[in-house]
Amino acid sequence: DGGITQSPKYLFRKEGQNVTLSCEQNLNHDAMYWYRQDPGQGLRLIYYSQIVNDFQKGDIAEGYSVSREKKESFPLTVTSAQKNPTAFYLCASSIDRTYEQYFGPGTRLTVT
Amino acid sequence: GQQVMQIPQYQHVQEGEDFTTYCNSSTTLSNIQWYKQRPGGHPVFLIQLVKSGEVKKQKRLTFQFGEAKKNSSLHITATQTTDVGTYFCAGKPSGSRLTFGEGTQLTVNP
Repeated sequence: DGGITQSPKYLFRKEGQNVTLSCEQNLNHDAMYWYRQDPGQGLRLIYYSQIVNDFQKGDIAEGYSVSREKKESFPLTVTSAQKNPTAFYLCASSIDRTYEQYFGPGTRLTVT
Repeated sequence: GQQVMQIPQYQHVQEGEDFTTYCNSSTTLSNIQWYKQRPGGHPVFLIQLVKSGEVKKQKRLTFQFGEAKKNSSLHITATQTTDVGTYFCAGKPSGSRLTFGEGTQLTVNP
C-alpha cells in the first residue's frame, strides 16, 4: 500500500523535553510538509522540503526543527523552545509543490 | 504575505439543505485546491481547479473558480450526514507555495 505514515498517533511529553515526530512516505514524492492544527483551526505550515537535504521555514517555524536526509522521511522535532506545543501535527507530501498534497493520519501531541 | 480567506467559519444545516463555502485570495492564483477533513481525521484532497471560470462537479459537489482567479466556491446540494466535516480551500499563486484557508466546519442535523 502506498501512503504516508505518522507515528505515534498519540504522544505525551513533559514540558522542557524535545520530542521527534516521525513521517514516512512511499509515494516517491519530492515535496514534504509539516502542518500544525489547533482545535477548530486551519492548517498552519511549519516547515516544508522540496528535495532531499533542503527545507524551508513555513509560517510558524520557531521552536521546531526538521531534517530531510532521505526522500522518504521528514521527521519533525518539537523543541523545548516551542511555547505552546500541544496540538495536532499533520505531515503531507506531494509530487512537487504544484500538485495536490496527501496527508498522513497525524500525531496528537500533548505536553504537560 | 499571500492570504487565503474562507467564509463562513461554521455552518449548521438541516439534512437536505444546500451548503456553500467561499474562498477569496488577495492575489491571483495559478490554481486552487479543495480538501475535506472528517472529524478526528486528516485532510483528503477533493479537486483542483486551474482555469479561469472553471466549474467541476463531483456528484452533489460543485466547485467553481472565479473569472479573475482570485476566488472559488464549493457548493453541496442536498446535504447528507456523510458531508459533515471541515472543508478547506488552498490557493497557489504563481511561483509561490500553496496556502490553506481557515476552513469551513459543516455540521448536518439529521
